[in-house]
Amino acid sequence: GAGVSQSPSNKVTEKGKDVELRCDPISGHTALYWYRQSLGQGLEFLIYFQGNSAPDKSGLPSDRFSAERTGGSVSTLTIQRTQQEDSAVYLCASSLGWHGYTFGSGTRLTVV
Amino acid sequence: GDSVTQMEGPVTLSEEAFLTINCTYTATGYPSLFWYVQYPGEGLQLLLKATKADDKGSNKGFEATYRKETTSFHLEKGSVQVSDSAVYFCALSDLRTGANSKLTFGKGITLSVRP
Repeated sequence: GAGVSQSPSNKVTEKGKDVELRCDPISGHTALYWYRQSLGQGLEFLIYFQGNSAPDKSGLPSDRFSAERTGGSVSTLTIQRTQQEDSAVYLCASSLGWHGYTFGSGTRLTVV
Repeated sequence: GDSVTQMEGPVTLSEEAFLTINCTYTATGYPSLFWYVQYPGEGLQLLLKATKADDKGSNKGFEATYRKETTSFHLEKGSVQVSDSAVYFCALSDLRTGANSKLTFGKGITLSVRP
């Protein structure tokens, strides 16, 4: 597509439920990144995919967080047993070499 | 590890004022440096970048020069407009980990420009 697409744009969930966030990168972009933007915390790196593999998942905050990427395209970030501190905007970006990173508009997750 | 430090905010300026937003970094390799901007209600957009020492990135009247000796990449604009009101993030990407390497961001600073 023309840009990075994320869905849903907004998600409200109850504490303890699982959520799945989806990212559709720009067609042909081999690298895909997930970041989290929390109030007062800036942008926090979560995980990076090159193709379908994840050479850097060092930013995942706990084992409740996981992500996968299939077909070198769509990626899903799953948060299990959500907690209130998981509330944030989750951003996805894709890139192809040095042509720069393109960010999606994000998914705003609210855990109540 | 790599890190980016931005000046504390928020910053409020009058229209046509001069803007400087400080950014310093720590990296053991040869990072590329970026400024991203997030307008209200929108996603992150690349504002400008510089890939090696002494390079100057520029866009929309904004400029930043990659200073290796001071490990800085300060953002400047000679005359700000109300439409420049946004959150600005400084970031780096370390080439040592490959062409597709993650961005490390500063905490961001909110700029408000009043008419």
